[in-house]
Amino acid sequence: AQSVSQHNHHVILSEAASLELGCNYSYGGTVNLFWYVQYPGQHLQLLLKYFSGDPLVKGIKGFEAEFIKSKFSFNLRKPSVQWSDTAEYFCALHNFGNEKLTFGTGTRLTIIP
Amino acid sequence: GAVVSQHPSRVICKSGTSVKIECRSLDFQATTMFWYRQFPKQSLMLMATSNEGSKATYEQGVEKDKFLINHASLTLSTLTVTSAHPEDSSFYICSARDGGAGVVEQFFGPGTRLTVL
Repeated sequence: AQSVSQHNHHVILSEAASLELGCNYSYGGTVNLFWYVQYPGQHLQLLLKYFSGDPLVKGIKGFEAEFIKSKFSFNLRKPSVQWSDTAEYFCALHNFGNEKLTFGTGTRLTIIP
Repeated sequence: GAVVSQHPSRVICKSGTSVKIECRSLDFQATTMFWYRQFPKQSLMLMATSNEGSKATYEQGVEKDKFLINHASLTLSTLTVTSAHPEDSSFYICSARDGGAGVVEQFFGPGTRLTVL
């Protein structure tokens, strides 16, 4: 069975700090990986996705993520966070076999002005 | 990008009543829609996969007689929580896929907050 782990439950940073949120997955087959963001009171939005090719993917709002197959990881990064990045971040894995998305438990990011 | 709407955004009902939640793809046709449930401070848990014109596929542990899903058209799927109880209170989110099998990306609706008194 596939699973996604996000070990950081709540991260608090000051503006301009660098960010790295961890995401590890468990699945033996071909995967597609996603990071979604949920701003307070809003719906899930896609930040970025990895399907194949360059393991370093760039998304919206200055976010990027690196797929490291040997570590089963897909960590999200941003060099300098802003107050507006305060949100819940979810890592997700798509399994081609059953067409399902499996989400991690989410990381709440709080940016202090 | 593709837009998915949900209605209502918030509903409060008495225990024992049924509640219907609509999920619409506004600018694309969605042969497949998904229903998720999100508990406070937890992740999204897939409840069922809804395919237009056929029966929904429910995840293990999800009661199909309690959570009725109908996907009658390519732009509308409905989730009916029958005989709702306080433990059904949750945030229900739908998503839709713009295309058939092999299309990966899902677009999410804004969610429906259900409170059962």
